[in-house]
Amino acid sequence: EAEVAQSPRYKITEKSQAVAFWCDPISGHATLYWYRQILGQGPELLVQFQDESVVDDSQLPKDRFSAERLKGVDSTLKIQPAELGDSAMYLCASSLAVGADTQYFGPGTRLTVL
Amino acid sequence: GQQLNQSPQSMFIQEGEDVSMNCTSSSIFNTWLWYKQDPGEGPVLLIALYKAGELTSNGRLTAQFGITRKDSFLNISASIPSDVGIYFCAGRSGAGSYQLTFGKGTKLSVIP
Repeated sequence: EAEVAQSPRYKITEKSQAVAFWCDPISGHATLYWYRQILGQGPELLVQFQDESVVDDSQLPKDRFSAERLKGVDSTLKIQPAELGDSAMYLCASSLAVGADTQYFGPGTRLTVL
Repeated sequence: GQQLNQSPQSMFIQEGEDVSMNCTSSSIFNTWLWYKQDPGEGPVLLIALYKAGELTSNGRLTAQFGITRKDSFLNISASIPSDVGIYFCAGRSGAGSYQLTFGKGTKLSVIP
């Protein structure tokens, strides 16, 4: 069964360092989402791509976060510099198209900022 | 912004018991979704609801789209140990927005 791949699964970094997360969506899925999930909370959307274009990045803290999906397939989310409050699970999801209800989530990257 | 209130926050039940949880919104949603998240994993979609009053089942799970379009309910019958996890509701308001708003989750523990 096709799955969304994410790496690394765990990342520990010191504040002010740069970190990057990678996501490979299910083949053929045009829409890719990055979510942040703080412990004890539900996922919150950071950015949404349709192919290589950003559809919604209104919740992305653009002073330190950036995301790209250059060829419309895999995607990278970067944080620079990392802050203590960035410690969270970063989830990637994909769906066939914008508005498709079935978003398939990856296993996530657990980030700890010391 | 939109907020979803999910209750209860956590529950402990005996294996074999039925479970009910719900989600309420301050605004109307056109779609309600229920996800389950196991520790260290991403959420998995359980049930999707598209119409007010709709009742949909997936095995031992049954979910309903409230007629006011501001709430949804999830029931699990005859719980088993593998039902343990965190259950999230999520809503989509439509009207050009495809963003999902998630609740804070209900943590379910099943005592064998």
